[in-house]
Amino acid sequence: QKEVEQDPGPLSVPEGAIVSLNCTYSNSAFQYFMWYRQYSRKGPELLMYTYSSGNKEDGRFTAQVDKSSKYISLFIRDSQPSDSATYLCAMSGGSNYKLTFGKGTLLTVNP
Amino acid sequence: DAGITQSPRYKITETGRQVTLMCHQTWSHSYMFWYRQDLGHGLRLIYYSAAADITDKGEVPDGYVVSRSKTENFPLTLESATRSQTSVYFCASSEAYEQFFGPGTRLTVL
Repeated sequence: QKEVEQDPGPLSVPEGAIVSLNCTYSNSAFQYFMWYRQYSRKGPELLMYTYSSGNKEDGRFTAQVDKSSKYISLFIRDSQPSDSATYLCAMSGGSNYKLTFGKGTLLTVNP
Repeated sequence: DAGITQSPRYKITETGRQVTLMCHQTWSHSYMFWYRQDLGHGLRLIYYSAAADITDKGEVPDGYVVSRSKTENFPLTLESATRSQTSVYFCASSEAYEQFFGPGTRLTVL
């Protein structure tokens, strides 16, 4: 079993839709959870950062962490064509700040 | 400019040649990382560094060498390039768990 599982998609939605992106993980030591957005031919950029369980909201983006289920989610409200990108989940629990990444989900938002 | 830069952005080389990819950050972050990104594999850690002169292997270190004599620079060397090292390489830096990535180097080994 991989440490982090993420459905690669692709996921295609109409503009304005609510998007749900998810990752599951197996390592109970993970405490820090991140979502990165990667546009085509660009480097990943940090979108959301959450410590332990709970929700965090930033504009149209909400990150949720359920440590009891080892499940994290990213919700995008009122999705826009500019949200079209690959979304990578990442997580860590060690003292050396290494991240374990999911393989990414390719999202396309159609106008 | 502030941030993290990588050079070259594109590189084509031949099997057996030595190639060095450069990474430079202006934040004075202690930690630096090298990843490769391939279809079907996602981002995989090659090497990382906790400070100048401190480096350690990641998930896929074979065929790669790193050094870090200065905090701001973290070059990655392919000692004898192979076709399987054709990939997109990303450098990242951090002071904690939030890593900040460079724009990437697209390397093709013929």
